[in-house]
Amino acid sequence: DSGVTQTPKHLITATGQRVTLRCSPRSGDLSVYWYQQSLDQGLQFLIQYYNGEERAKGNILERFSAQQFPDLHSELNLSSLELGDSALYFCASSVFTGSNTQYFGPGTRLTVL
Amino acid sequence: GQQVMQIPQYQHVQEGEDFTTYCNSSTTLSNIQWYKQRPGGHPVFLIQLVKSGEVKKQKRLTFQFGEAKKNSSLHITATQTTDVGTYFCADLSSGSARQLTFGSGTQLTVLP
Repeated sequence: DSGVTQTPKHLITATGQRVTLRCSPRSGDLSVYWYQQSLDQGLQFLIQYYNGEERAKGNILERFSAQQFPDLHSELNLSSLELGDSALYFCASSVFTGSNTQYFGPGTRLTVL
Repeated sequence: GQQVMQIPQYQHVQEGEDFTTYCNSSTTLSNIQWYKQRPGGHPVFLIQLVKSGEVKKQKRLTFQFGEAKKNSSLHITATQTTDVGTYFCADLSSGSARQLTFGSGTQLTVLP
């Protein structure tokens, strides 16, 4: 158990819908990262937040957005969902933005039908 | 952007045999990290290599960073069934935003 929690574990929805994935970092960690894991794209970095502010952006689609709240939990919002958005979404956290070690949560499996 | 290639994609070994996965980049890697993901699980950090030519060992696992910092390898001696999973290398970007660029992973199956 990494100490990072993610909800829900599984999510099944239809194309065109919007969903929100939630992540609670390890106690004391200020930095949150979101990753997408799919069969064709592998593990890809989406976005990073540090203490409520966006720090880095990766291959995140414009239909996707995220935020980190004052209590440091983070949400990833996915809208206008397409079949290709079906994937495992991982959240990871680290102590600070320059930290070398990221701890991954159990992931949310999103299925878009 | 940075691309990290990893081979092989799949590897089946008999328990007790050795296993190696290789990670390559056309550009210099900042820091290499290795992760293991068990089937149905999440990536778990194994180790980080920073220096050119660095070699680190964890029990039966040996990690190497190339002299030119463009390649890395993970070698497992005498595999066990508990070694089953997918092994990823990842380049950890330098600077304040520590972004991981993952290789495609090597899925290891250990046959008893």
